[in-house]
Amino acid sequence: DVKVTQSSRYLVKRTGEKVFLECVQDMDHENMFWYRQDPGLGLRLIYFSYDVKMKEKGDIPEGYSVSREKKERFSLILESASTNQTSMYLCASSTGTTTEAFFGQGTRLTVV
Amino acid sequence: AQSVAQPEDQVNVAEGNPLTVKCTYSVSGNPYLFWYVQYPNRGLQFLLKYITGDNLVKGSYGFEAEFNKSQTSFHLKKPSALVSDSALYFCAPRGGGFKTIFGAGTRLFVKA
Repeated sequence: DVKVTQSSRYLVKRTGEKVFLECVQDMDHENMFWYRQDPGLGLRLIYFSYDVKMKEKGDIPEGYSVSREKKERFSLILESASTNQTSMYLCASSTGTTTEAFFGQGTRLTVV
Repeated sequence: AQSVAQPEDQVNVAEGNPLTVKCTYSVSGNPYLFWYVQYPNRGLQFLLKYITGDNLVKGSYGFEAEFNKSQTSFHLKKPSALVSDSALYFCAPRGGGFKTIFGAGTRLFVKA
């Protein structure tokens, strides 16, 4: 089975901190995604990557950056955490354009 | 621009009755359509997809969905609901490329 692992289930960070969320997949998938999930808003795409060192902005990239140095790892970086970035963050991976995405368990980030 | 609508925040149904969770979408090009389910405190799981071919697709846990091109809809259905089907359901269309958008989600509540 495909496994997508996010490094933390819960995180509490202070306003202004630089925050790293890590995601690793074990199925050699080309595509990786970061979403945030907020009640009533569904999942919103922050960034995605379709190859190593390649990245594209999603719908809400402001305040975030990403890094993909290796195929299996996709990191989301909050440059200076703010309280409006308190959310559930979901990482996903997929291969091709017609296959489903596999999701990690999510990281619930609270910025205080 | 791509968009997706799940018009019902919540669907309530009695166990044993049929259920429908509605989804309409707008994407460019041929749509690839997905449904995902999220159980409490868990990541998203893939349920089913429409890529091409038969308009009625079958997926996990007895769910099915009907693709209607003229109405740009992809409603999720199940002939007989179970209490264990209670969860949050997301419709997720994909247009050209890798980007998948998600609806706001519909919470299904099945009463015993």
